[in-house]
Amino acid sequence: GENVEQHPSTLSVQEGDSAVIKCTYSDSASNYFPWYKQELGKRPQLIIDIRSNVGEKKDQRIAVTLNKTAKHFSLHITETQPEDSAVYFCAASLNTGTASKLTFGTGTRLQVTL
Amino acid sequence: GAVVSQHPSRVICKSGTSVKIECRSLDFQATTMFWYRQFPKKSLMLMATSNEGSKATYEQGVEKDKFLINHASLTLSTLTVTSAHPEDSSFYICSARVQDREETQYFGPGTRLLVL
Repeated sequence: GENVEQHPSTLSVQEGDSAVIKCTYSDSASNYFPWYKQELGKRPQLIIDIRSNVGEKKDQRIAVTLNKTAKHFSLHITETQPEDSAVYFCAASLNTGTASKLTFGTGTRLQVTL
Repeated sequence: GAVVSQHPSRVICKSGTSVKIECRSLDFQATTMFWYRQFPKKSLMLMATSNEGSKATYEQGVEKDKFLINHASLTLSTLTVTSAHPEDSSFYICSARVQDREETQYFGPGTRLLVL
Protein backbone atom coordinates (compact mmCIF):
# COMPACT_ATOMS: atom_id res chain seq x y z
CA GLY A 1 0.00 0.00 0.00
CA GLU A 2 0.86 3.67 -0.03
CA ASN A 3 3.45 5.03 2.43
CA VAL A 4 3.82 8.75 3.09
CA GLU A 5 6.78 10.24 4.92
CA GLN A 6 6.76 13.80 6.21
CA HIS A 7 9.57 16.08 7.39
CA PRO A 8 10.33 17.84 9.61
CA SER A 9 8.31 16.63 12.59
CA THR A 10 8.63 20.03 14.24
CA LEU A 11 9.37 23.42 12.75
CA SER A 12 9.83 26.73 14.47
CA VAL A 13 9.96 29.96 12.47
CA GLN A 14 9.79 33.63 13.29
CA GLU A 15 6.75 35.59 12.29
CA GLY A 16 7.10 36.81 8.74
CA ASP A 17 9.49 34.05 7.69
CA SER A 18 8.61 31.23 5.33
CA ALA A 19 7.95 27.63 6.32
CA VAL A 20 8.43 24.58 4.12
CA ILE A 21 7.16 21.08 4.86
CA LYS A 22 8.11 18.16 2.65
CA CYS A 23 6.47 14.81 1.96
CA THR A 24 7.37 11.79 -0.12
CA TYR A 25 5.08 9.01 -1.26
CA SER A 26 5.71 5.49 -2.46
CA ASP A 27 2.94 4.65 -4.92
CA SER A 28 3.61 6.28 -8.28
CA ALA A 29 -0.06 5.82 -9.18
CA SER A 30 -1.20 8.25 -6.45
CA ASN A 31 -2.82 11.24 -8.07
CA TYR A 32 -4.28 13.45 -5.35
CA PHE A 33 -2.35 15.22 -2.59
CA PRO A 34 -4.17 17.31 0.03
CA TRP A 35 -2.73 19.22 2.97
CA TYR A 36 -4.60 19.55 6.24
CA LYS A 37 -4.10 21.90 9.18
CA GLN A 38 -5.11 20.69 12.62
CA GLU A 39 -5.20 22.89 15.68
CA LEU A 40 -5.05 21.28 19.11
CA GLY A 41 -8.20 19.25 19.81
CA LYS A 42 -9.84 20.36 16.58
CA ARG A 43 -10.72 18.73 13.28
CA PRO A 44 -8.25 18.65 10.37
CA GLN A 45 -9.07 21.44 7.92
CA LEU A 46 -8.21 21.15 4.23
CA ILE A 47 -6.00 24.11 3.32
CA ILE A 48 -4.88 23.24 -0.18
CA ASP A 49 -4.71 20.26 -2.50
CA ILE A 50 -3.06 19.37 -5.77
CA ARG A 51 -3.68 16.77 -8.43
CA SER A 52 -1.04 14.94 -10.38
CA ASN A 53 -1.70 16.80 -13.61
CA VAL A 54 -0.52 20.03 -11.99
CA GLY A 55 3.00 20.93 -10.79
CA GLU A 56 2.21 23.85 -8.56
CA LYS A 57 -0.79 25.52 -6.98
CA LYS A 58 -1.00 28.70 -4.96
CA ASP A 59 -3.63 30.22 -2.70
CA GLN A 60 -2.59 33.54 -1.16
CA ARG A 61 0.25 32.75 1.29
CA ILE A 62 0.07 29.00 0.76
CA ALA A 63 1.53 27.06 -2.14
CA VAL A 64 2.06 23.40 -2.91
CA THR A 65 4.51 21.91 -5.39
CA LEU A 66 4.50 18.40 -6.78
CA ASN A 67 7.35 16.48 -8.37
CA LYS A 68 5.86 13.29 -9.79
CA THR A 69 9.17 11.93 -10.98
CA ALA A 70 10.73 12.16 -7.54
CA LYS A 71 7.42 11.36 -5.82
CA HIS A 72 7.55 14.24 -3.45
CA PHE A 73 5.42 17.28 -2.73
CA SER A 74 5.90 20.28 -0.50
CA LEU A 75 3.86 22.88 1.33
CA HIS A 76 5.16 26.45 1.38
CA ILE A 77 3.76 29.07 3.73
CA THR A 78 5.05 32.61 3.24
CA GLU A 79 4.83 35.58 5.62
CA THR A 80 3.95 33.28 8.49
CA GLN A 81 1.66 34.54 11.24
CA PRO A 82 1.08 33.26 14.79
CA GLU A 83 -2.28 31.84 13.72
CA ASP A 84 -0.42 29.54 11.31
CA SER A 85 0.83 27.62 14.37
CA ALA A 86 -0.72 24.14 14.18
CA VAL A 87 0.02 20.59 13.07
CA TYR A 88 0.09 20.11 9.32
CA PHE A 89 -0.54 16.77 7.66
CA CYS A 90 0.14 15.84 4.07
CA ALA A 91 -1.70 12.95 2.44
CA ALA A 92 -1.71 10.97 -0.76
CA SER A 93 -4.55 9.20 -2.50
CA LEU A 94 -5.13 7.11 -5.57
CA ASN A 95 -8.50 8.17 -6.87
CA THR A 96 -10.21 5.17 -8.38
CA GLY A 97 -13.71 6.42 -7.58
CA THR A 98 -15.25 4.86 -4.52
CA ALA A 99 -12.15 2.83 -3.68
CA SER A 100 -9.81 5.73 -3.00
CA LYS A 101 -8.59 6.52 0.50
CA LEU A 102 -6.09 8.93 2.02
CA THR A 103 -2.78 7.88 3.52
CA PHE A 104 -1.51 10.54 5.89
CA GLY A 105 1.99 11.63 6.75
CA THR A 106 3.12 11.74 10.36
CA GLY A 107 2.52 15.45 10.77
CA THR A 108 4.60 18.59 11.28
CA ARG A 109 4.12 20.78 14.31
CA LEU A 110 4.67 24.36 13.15
CA GLN A 111 5.34 27.03 15.75
CA VAL A 112 5.41 30.64 14.62
CA THR A 113 7.11 32.82 17.19
CA LEU A 114 6.81 36.58 17.58
CA GLY B 1 -20.67 24.15 2.46
CA ALA B 2 -19.31 20.62 3.13
CA VAL B 3 -19.92 20.57 6.87
CA VAL B 4 -19.55 17.35 8.83
CA SER B 5 -20.84 16.99 12.37
CA GLN B 6 -20.02 14.36 14.93
CA HIS B 7 -21.80 13.41 18.12
CA PRO B 8 -20.99 13.16 20.95
CA SER B 9 -17.93 15.38 21.18
CA ARG B 10 -16.67 13.52 24.21
CA VAL B 11 -17.80 10.50 26.16
CA ILE B 12 -16.66 8.76 29.31
CA CYS B 13 -17.82 5.21 29.86
CA LYS B 14 -17.13 2.21 32.01
CA SER B 15 -15.15 -0.73 30.74
CA GLY B 16 -17.39 -3.29 29.07
CA THR B 17 -20.03 -0.89 27.80
CA SER B 18 -20.68 0.01 24.17
CA VAL B 19 -20.46 3.49 22.75
CA LYS B 20 -22.05 4.78 19.55
CA ILE B 21 -20.61 7.73 17.65
CA GLU B 22 -22.56 9.46 14.89
CA CYS B 23 -21.13 11.19 11.86
CA ARG B 24 -23.40 13.37 9.73
CA SER B 25 -22.90 15.32 6.53
CA LEU B 26 -25.06 18.39 7.08
CA ASP B 27 -25.26 20.06 3.68
CA PHE B 28 -24.28 17.39 1.20
CA GLN B 29 -24.76 13.73 0.46
CA ALA B 30 -21.89 11.40 1.17
CA THR B 31 -21.72 8.01 -0.48
CA THR B 32 -18.48 7.33 1.35
CA MET B 33 -17.44 8.16 4.89
CA PHE B 34 -14.25 7.27 6.70
CA TRP B 35 -13.46 6.55 10.33
CA TYR B 36 -10.07 7.43 11.75
CA ARG B 37 -8.42 7.03 15.10
CA GLN B 38 -5.87 9.52 16.34
CA PHE B 39 -3.58 9.07 19.34
CA PRO B 40 -2.12 12.12 21.12
CA LYS B 41 0.40 13.94 18.94
CA LYS B 42 0.11 11.26 16.27
CA SER B 43 -1.22 11.03 12.76
CA LEU B 44 -4.65 9.90 11.62
CA MET B 45 -4.99 6.15 11.25
CA LEU B 46 -7.72 4.97 8.91
CA MET B 47 -9.88 2.34 10.59
CA ALA B 48 -12.49 1.69 7.95
CA THR B 49 -14.28 3.00 4.89
CA SER B 50 -18.04 3.22 5.23
CA ASN B 51 -20.11 2.94 2.04
CA GLU B 52 -23.78 3.80 2.01
CA GLY B 53 -25.93 0.71 1.68
CA SER B 54 -23.10 -1.80 1.86
CA LYS B 55 -20.67 -3.30 4.32
CA ALA B 56 -17.75 -1.28 5.57
CA THR B 57 -14.22 -2.04 4.45
CA TYR B 58 -11.89 -2.40 7.40
CA GLU B 59 -8.16 -1.74 7.41
CA GLN B 60 -5.79 -4.51 8.35
CA GLY B 61 -5.64 -5.05 12.09
CA VAL B 62 -8.98 -3.40 12.85
CA GLU B 63 -11.50 -5.79 14.40
CA LYS B 64 -14.82 -5.51 12.59
CA ASP B 65 -16.71 -7.09 15.48
CA LYS B 66 -15.17 -4.60 17.87
CA PHE B 67 -15.82 -1.50 15.77
CA LEU B 68 -19.24 -1.83 14.16
CA ILE B 69 -19.97 0.57 11.32
CA ASN B 70 -23.34 1.31 9.81
CA HIS B 71 -23.95 3.71 6.90
CA ALA B 72 -27.70 3.50 6.46
CA SER B 73 -28.26 6.80 4.66
CA LEU B 74 -26.36 9.27 2.50
CA THR B 75 -25.91 11.63 5.45
CA LEU B 76 -25.25 9.36 8.42
CA SER B 77 -22.63 6.83 9.42
CA THR B 78 -22.27 5.40 12.91
CA LEU B 79 -19.34 3.75 14.67
CA THR B 80 -20.09 1.58 17.68
CA VAL B 81 -17.22 0.61 19.94
CA THR B 82 -18.44 -2.61 21.50
CA SER B 83 -17.36 -3.82 24.94
CA ALA B 84 -15.01 -0.87 25.29
CA HIS B 85 -11.78 -1.22 27.23
CA PRO B 86 -9.27 1.40 28.41
CA GLU B 87 -7.04 0.75 25.41
CA ASP B 88 -9.92 1.91 23.18
CA SER B 89 -9.60 5.39 24.65
CA SER B 90 -8.71 7.70 21.79
CA PHE B 91 -9.83 10.52 19.53
CA TYR B 92 -12.14 9.18 16.83
CA ILE B 93 -12.69 11.34 13.75
CA CYS B 94 -14.92 10.74 10.78
CA SER B 95 -14.72 12.28 7.35
CA ALA B 96 -17.01 12.39 4.35
CA ARG B 97 -16.58 12.79 0.62
CA VAL B 98 -18.93 14.90 -1.44
CA GLN B 99 -20.54 12.78 -4.13
CA ASP B 100 -19.40 14.79 -7.09
CA ARG B 101 -15.92 15.53 -5.73
CA GLU B 102 -14.63 12.11 -5.01
CA GLU B 103 -11.20 12.97 -3.64
CA THR B 104 -11.78 15.72 -1.09
CA GLN B 105 -12.52 14.60 2.45
CA TYR B 106 -14.13 16.90 5.00
CA PHE B 107 -13.63 16.02 8.63
CA GLY B 108 -15.93 16.00 11.60
CA PRO B 109 -14.87 17.66 14.88
CA GLY B 110 -13.95 14.34 16.47
CA THR B 111 -15.11 12.38 19.50
CA ARG B 112 -12.86 11.95 22.50
CA LEU B 113 -13.55 8.60 24.12
CA LEU B 114 -12.31 7.79 27.61
CA VAL B 115 -12.93 4.29 28.92
CA LEU B 116 -12.47 3.87 32.66
